[in-house]
Amino acid sequence: EIVLTQSPATLSLSPGERATLSCRASQSISTYLAWYQQTPGQAPRLLIYDSSTRATGIPARFSGSGSGTDFTLTISSLEPEDSAVYYCQQRYDWPPWTFGQGTKVEIK
Amino acid sequence: QVQLVESGGGVVQPGGSLRLSCAASGFIFSTYGMHWVRQAPGKGLEWVTFIWYDGSKKYYADSVKGRFTISRDNSKNTVYLQMNSLRLEDTAVYYCAKDRMRGGTYIDYWGQGTLVTVSS
Repeated sequence: EIVLTQSPATLSLSPGERATLSCRASQSISTYLAWYQQTPGQAPRLLIYDSSTRATGIPARFSGSGSGTDFTLTISSLEPEDSAVYYCQQRYDWPPWTFGQGTKVEIK
Repeated sequence: QVQLVESGGGVVQPGGSLRLSCAASGFIFSTYGMHWVRQAPGKGLEWVTFIWYDGSKKYYADSVKGRFTISRDNSKNTVYLQMNSLRLEDTAVYYCAKDRMRGGTYIDYWGQGTLVTVSS
């Protein structure tokens, strides 16, 4: 089973700042990685898939990069509504489809 | 627009059973794979099970294998999760979720979830 490790656990930043979230895979997963956003009380939402492709309707301030074992989600200029937990997920080797443990982004 | 509406959650005793349903609309249901993903209170996301677009293949997390069964009725645009021998650790919000493809890739739409509480 591929393990995904996200860091940091919590990120506290001000509006307009840049957020950089990391996801590391226990083995190479090529670019088969997605990012999801979950705001409190809501279902997750797909942001990025295949490492760097934005899903439909996702603002351009969200971008993804990486391949192999190291991946990054960048929010270029934080908005208040970006306060959420962000999860990565791999689809390189399944089952199971595995998720990271999440990074909480707090807006000061 | 894509809509996934779960139902069937509730409180059940350990060892009991529950059947979740997920009614889908806004897309051609019979051409997409479907997942169930759960989230225990205050915890992260855990993939539970996946069914191929035509129901021909099914996959389960080790934690539920032999106890949970996924199925679908493409004539009713509905996917089901039969949960037997429920344990305390099965307590979670269960999300029905649509895959981007026929087989397993990523989840592009999620339902709002239904809460399953296993408690004596």
